[in-house]
Amino acid sequence: DAGVTQSPTHLIKTRGQHVTLRCSPISGHKSVSWYQQVLGQGPQFIFQYYEKEERGRGNFPDRFSARQFPNYSSELNVNALLLGDSALYLCASSYGTAATSMNNEQFFGPGTRLTVL
Amino acid sequence: AQKITQTQPGMFVQEKEAVTLDCTYDTSDPSYGLFWYKQPSSGEMIFLIYQGSYDQQNATEGRYSLNFQKARKSANLVISASQLGDSAMYFCAMREGLYNQGGKLIFGQGTELSVKP
Repeated sequence: DAGVTQSPTHLIKTRGQHVTLRCSPISGHKSVSWYQQVLGQGPQFIFQYYEKEERGRGNFPDRFSARQFPNYSSELNVNALLLGDSALYLCASSYGTAATSMNNEQFFGPGTRLTVL
Repeated sequence: AQKITQTQPGMFVQEKEAVTLDCTYDTSDPSYGLFWYKQPSSGEMIFLIYQGSYDQQNATEGRYSLNFQKARKSANLVISASQLGDSAMYFCAMREGLYNQGGKLIFGQGTELSVKP
């Protein structure tokens, strides 16, 4: 079975530009989460979507937005890019969202490495 | 206050020996899940092991075991018979459930494990 896929793998943008990152979850998974991982730190939660609805939002500015499509794939959009947005962006999928269910572990994709110049 | 604390920025272990990676957590939510992930230099987060807050027994997955001490709020990862391929960053993460339906994972800062031949 295919794992979580993300595109593109690498991206270089300049300040002020806009970027769209894409994620396809594992087949059968209905939840997609996005994380930002700055070099040398643990991932930080950005968004979670479940059944096409936003279920959680991290402490990120409104420049960050996301959506989930009927096939459960997802896009993360970042407007007005800043140098500080340079990071590895990770997408994770899970079957559901309940914290204490063993079936809800999150599986991560390979990430998109964004560089803002 | 940090919700997930990993106090060991770096660890060394001899090949074939066991190693313990420390993780303490802080939550007032009675329902939560604890995760360990491995992140090699390639960047992908690899799920290793899961422990639910209501689980009575410590989780085990092959060479990985989780030493869950609920009263102390600790969830240490034990890797037995270390292999050279175990060299990577290891992240402890928590997902709270009862009051946070977003399902977000909160990560620690990570521990870099180096296995020596």
